[in-house]
Amino acid sequence: SQQGEEDPQALSIQEGENATMNCSYKTSINNLQWYRQNSGRGLVHLILIRSNEREKHSGRLRVTLDTSKKSSSLLITASRAADTASYFCATEDSWGKLQFGAGTQVVVTP
Amino acid sequence: GAGVSQSPSNKVTEKGKDVELRCDPISGHTALYWYRQSLGQGLEFLIYFQGNSAPDKSGLPSDRFSAERTGGSVSTLTIQRTQQEDSAVYLCASSATGTSGRSATDTQYFGPGTRLTVL
Repeated sequence: SQQGEEDPQALSIQEGENATMNCSYKTSINNLQWYRQNSGRGLVHLILIRSNEREKHSGRLRVTLDTSKKSSSLLITASRAADTASYFCATEDSWGKLQFGAGTQVVVTP
Repeated sequence: GAGVSQSPSNKVTEKGKDVELRCDPISGHTALYWYRQSLGQGLEFLIYFQGNSAPDKSGLPSDRFSAERTGGSVSTLTIQRTQQEDSAVYLCASSATGTSGRSATDTQYFGPGTRLTVL
Protein backbone atom coordinates (compact mmCIF):
# COMPACT_ATOMS: atom_id res chain seq x y z
CA SER A 1 0.00 0.00 0.00
CA GLN A 2 1.13 3.54 -0.63
CA GLN A 3 2.12 5.82 2.20
CA GLY A 4 1.25 9.10 0.54
CA GLU A 5 -2.00 9.98 -1.12
CA GLU A 6 -2.30 13.02 -3.33
CA ASP A 7 -5.39 15.07 -3.79
CA PRO A 8 -6.75 15.90 -6.30
CA GLN A 9 -5.91 13.10 -8.74
CA ALA A 10 -6.12 15.56 -11.61
CA LEU A 11 -6.06 19.33 -11.92
CA SER A 12 -6.68 21.49 -14.95
CA ILE A 13 -5.89 25.20 -14.81
CA GLN A 14 -5.03 28.09 -17.09
CA GLU A 15 -1.68 29.76 -17.37
CA GLY A 16 -1.14 32.33 -14.69
CA GLU A 17 -3.36 30.60 -12.16
CA ASN A 18 -2.07 28.92 -9.04
CA ALA A 19 -2.15 25.16 -8.62
CA THR A 20 -2.47 23.53 -5.23
CA MET A 21 -2.21 19.85 -4.47
CA ASN A 22 -2.22 18.03 -1.18
CA CYS A 23 -0.57 14.95 0.18
CA SER A 24 -1.54 12.91 3.22
CA TYR A 25 0.51 10.18 4.81
CA LYS A 26 0.12 7.66 7.59
CA THR A 27 3.32 7.03 9.54
CA SER A 28 6.09 9.16 11.01
CA ILE A 29 8.55 10.55 8.50
CA ASN A 30 12.09 11.86 8.25
CA ASN A 31 11.16 14.24 5.50
CA LEU A 32 8.69 14.69 2.69
CA GLN A 33 9.67 15.31 -0.89
CA TRP A 34 7.85 16.46 -3.99
CA TYR A 35 8.75 15.22 -7.45
CA ARG A 36 7.63 16.05 -10.96
CA GLN A 37 7.37 13.56 -13.78
CA ASN A 38 6.87 14.34 -17.44
CA SER A 39 5.45 11.82 -19.89
CA GLY A 40 5.81 8.87 -17.55
CA ARG A 41 9.58 9.12 -17.31
CA GLY A 42 12.28 11.34 -15.88
CA LEU A 43 11.35 11.86 -12.24
CA VAL A 44 12.73 15.21 -11.11
CA HIS A 45 13.22 16.20 -7.50
CA LEU A 46 11.53 19.53 -6.73
CA ILE A 47 11.77 20.21 -3.04
CA LEU A 48 12.44 18.49 0.27
CA ILE A 49 10.92 19.58 3.55
CA ARG A 50 12.19 18.10 6.77
CA SER A 51 9.91 16.92 9.55
CA ASN A 52 10.87 19.88 11.74
CA GLU A 53 10.08 22.44 9.04
CA ARG A 54 6.66 23.92 8.36
CA GLU A 55 7.13 25.79 5.11
CA LYS A 56 9.64 25.96 2.32
CA HIS A 57 9.95 27.96 -0.87
CA SER A 58 11.79 27.34 -4.09
CA GLY A 59 11.12 29.74 -6.94
CA ARG A 60 7.42 29.50 -7.77
CA LEU A 61 6.98 26.52 -5.48
CA ARG A 62 5.74 26.67 -1.93
CA VAL A 63 5.50 23.58 0.23
CA THR A 64 3.92 23.29 3.65
CA LEU A 65 4.09 20.45 6.11
CA ASP A 66 1.78 19.79 9.02
CA THR A 67 3.07 16.79 10.92
CA SER A 68 0.17 16.89 13.37
CA LYS A 69 -2.23 16.33 10.49
CA LYS A 70 0.24 14.22 8.53
CA SER A 71 -0.29 16.33 5.47
CA SER A 72 1.62 18.51 3.04
CA SER A 73 0.67 20.84 0.25
CA LEU A 74 2.46 21.97 -2.88
CA LEU A 75 1.55 25.32 -4.39
CA ILE A 76 2.72 26.33 -7.84
CA THR A 77 2.19 30.04 -8.37
CA ALA A 78 1.70 31.74 -11.72
CA SER A 79 1.59 28.43 -13.55
CA ARG A 80 2.99 27.96 -17.03
CA ALA A 81 2.25 25.45 -19.77
CA ALA A 82 5.64 23.88 -18.99
CA ASP A 83 4.35 22.99 -15.52
CA THR A 84 2.11 20.36 -17.11
CA ALA A 85 3.23 17.11 -15.50
CA SER A 86 2.42 14.60 -12.80
CA TYR A 87 3.41 15.62 -9.29
CA PHE A 88 4.20 13.08 -6.61
CA CYS A 89 4.80 13.40 -2.92
CA ALA A 90 7.12 10.93 -1.28
CA THR A 91 7.75 10.36 2.38
CA GLU A 92 11.10 9.21 3.60
CA ASP A 93 11.37 7.14 6.76
CA SER A 94 14.37 6.97 9.06
CA TRP A 95 15.77 4.12 6.95
CA GLY A 96 15.94 6.26 3.85
CA LYS A 97 13.13 4.44 2.12
CA LEU A 98 10.86 6.61 -0.03
CA GLN A 99 7.18 5.78 -0.41
CA PHE A 100 5.32 7.56 -3.17
CA GLY A 101 1.73 8.50 -3.61
CA ALA A 102 -0.23 7.93 -6.82
CA GLY A 103 0.34 11.49 -7.99
CA THR A 104 -1.63 14.49 -9.20
CA GLN A 105 -1.82 15.08 -12.94
CA VAL A 106 -1.65 18.79 -13.64
CA VAL A 107 -2.57 20.25 -17.01
CA VAL A 108 -1.87 23.93 -17.63
CA THR A 109 -3.55 25.33 -20.70
CA PRO A 110 -2.34 28.49 -22.45
CA GLY B 1 27.89 11.36 -17.27
CA ALA B 2 26.88 13.02 -14.02
CA GLY B 3 23.46 11.43 -13.61
CA VAL B 4 22.00 8.01 -12.96
CA SER B 5 21.87 5.93 -16.10
CA GLN B 6 19.78 2.88 -16.86
CA SER B 7 19.82 0.35 -19.64
CA PRO B 8 18.11 -0.65 -21.74
CA SER B 9 15.70 2.25 -22.08
CA ASN B 10 13.08 -0.08 -23.51
CA LYS B 11 12.76 -3.85 -23.30
CA VAL B 12 10.14 -5.99 -24.96
CA THR B 13 10.11 -9.63 -24.00
CA GLU B 14 7.91 -12.67 -24.21
CA LYS B 15 6.09 -14.08 -21.24
CA GLY B 16 8.23 -16.61 -19.43
CA LYS B 17 11.58 -15.14 -20.43
CA ASP B 18 14.09 -13.71 -17.97
CA VAL B 19 15.19 -10.06 -18.17
CA GLU B 20 18.02 -8.06 -16.64
CA LEU B 21 17.83 -4.35 -16.07
CA ARG B 22 20.91 -2.33 -15.29
CA CYS B 23 21.48 0.78 -13.21
CA ASP B 24 24.62 2.89 -13.00
CA PRO B 25 24.31 5.22 -10.02
CA ILE B 26 26.02 8.55 -9.60
CA SER B 27 29.65 7.97 -8.76
CA GLY B 28 30.25 7.99 -5.02
CA HIS B 29 26.62 7.47 -4.07
CA THR B 30 26.36 4.73 -1.48
CA ALA B 31 22.61 4.22 -1.55
CA LEU B 32 20.76 2.73 -4.51
CA TYR B 33 17.03 2.14 -4.90
CA TRP B 34 14.82 0.33 -7.39
CA TYR B 35 11.21 1.33 -7.95
CA ARG B 36 8.50 0.18 -10.30
CA GLN B 37 5.84 2.35 -11.85
CA SER B 38 2.85 0.83 -13.57
CA LEU B 39 0.91 2.88 -16.10
CA GLY B 40 -0.78 5.84 -14.44
CA GLN B 41 0.36 4.80 -10.99
CA GLY B 42 2.78 6.08 -8.39
CA LEU B 43 6.14 4.53 -7.72
CA GLU B 44 6.34 1.23 -5.89
CA PHE B 45 9.46 0.60 -3.82
CA LEU B 46 11.22 -2.64 -4.70
CA ILE B 47 14.65 -2.85 -3.09
CA TYR B 48 17.25 -0.66 -1.39
CA PHE B 49 21.03 -1.10 -1.18
CA GLN B 50 23.18 0.83 1.28
CA GLY B 51 26.91 0.30 1.16
CA ASN B 52 27.87 -3.22 2.17
CA SER B 53 24.80 -3.79 4.30
CA ALA B 54 22.27 -6.46 3.48
CA PRO B 55 19.72 -4.98 1.06
CA ASP B 56 16.18 -4.16 2.09
CA LYS B 57 14.17 -6.47 -0.15
CA SER B 58 10.83 -5.82 1.48
CA GLY B 59 9.28 -4.38 -1.67
CA LEU B 60 10.04 -7.20 -4.07
CA PRO B 61 6.65 -8.53 -5.24
CA SER B 62 7.68 -12.16 -5.68
CA ASP B 63 10.65 -14.51 -5.62
CA ARG B 64 10.92 -14.06 -9.38
CA PHE B 65 12.48 -10.68 -8.65
CA SER B 66 16.05 -10.33 -7.44
CA ALA B 67 18.71 -7.65 -7.50
CA GLU B 68 22.38 -7.38 -6.83
CA ARG B 69 24.84 -4.59 -6.57
CA THR B 70 28.40 -5.42 -7.48
CA GLY B 71 31.29 -3.55 -5.95
CA GLY B 72 28.96 -1.06 -4.35
CA SER B 73 28.24 0.56 -7.69
CA VAL B 74 26.34 -0.93 -10.62
CA SER B 75 23.13 -2.78 -9.86
CA THR B 76 21.19 -5.34 -11.84
CA LEU B 77 17.52 -6.12 -11.34
CA THR B 78 16.57 -9.54 -12.63
CA ILE B 79 13.05 -10.72 -13.31
CA GLN B 80 12.71 -14.42 -13.97
CA ARG B 81 9.86 -16.03 -15.89
CA THR B 82 8.32 -12.66 -16.70
CA GLN B 83 4.57 -12.22 -16.56
CA GLN B 84 2.40 -9.64 -18.29
CA GLU B 85 1.75 -7.90 -14.97
CA ASP B 86 5.49 -7.19 -14.75
CA SER B 87 5.08 -4.66 -17.54
CA ALA B 88 6.01 -1.28 -16.08
CA VAL B 89 8.70 1.36 -15.98
CA TYR B 90 11.50 0.33 -13.66
CA LEU B 91 13.27 3.29 -12.09
CA CYS B 92 16.56 3.37 -10.28
CA ALA B 93 17.69 6.12 -7.93
CA SER B 94 20.82 6.82 -5.95
CA SER B 95 21.68 9.11 -3.08
CA ALA B 96 24.85 10.14 -1.33
CA THR B 97 23.94 8.51 1.94
CA GLY B 98 21.21 6.25 3.15
CA THR B 99 22.37 4.90 6.46
CA SER B 100 19.54 4.11 8.83
CA GLY B 101 19.14 6.53 11.65
CA ARG B 102 21.15 9.19 9.96
CA SER B 103 20.43 12.77 10.82
CA ALA B 104 21.16 14.15 7.39
CA THR B 105 18.84 13.43 4.53
CA ASP B 106 19.79 13.25 0.91
CA THR B 107 17.97 13.77 -2.31
CA GLN B 108 17.42 10.70 -4.43
CA TYR B 109 18.40 11.20 -8.04
CA PHE B 110 16.45 9.15 -10.51
CA GLY B 111 17.50 7.59 -13.76
CA PRO B 112 15.32 7.77 -16.88
CA GLY B 113 13.94 4.30 -16.27
CA THR B 114 13.56 1.13 -18.31
CA ARG B 115 10.17 0.55 -19.89
CA LEU B 116 9.51 -3.19 -19.77
CA THR B 117 6.79 -4.69 -21.90
CA VAL B 118 5.94 -8.36 -21.49
CA LEU B 119 3.94 -9.75 -24.36
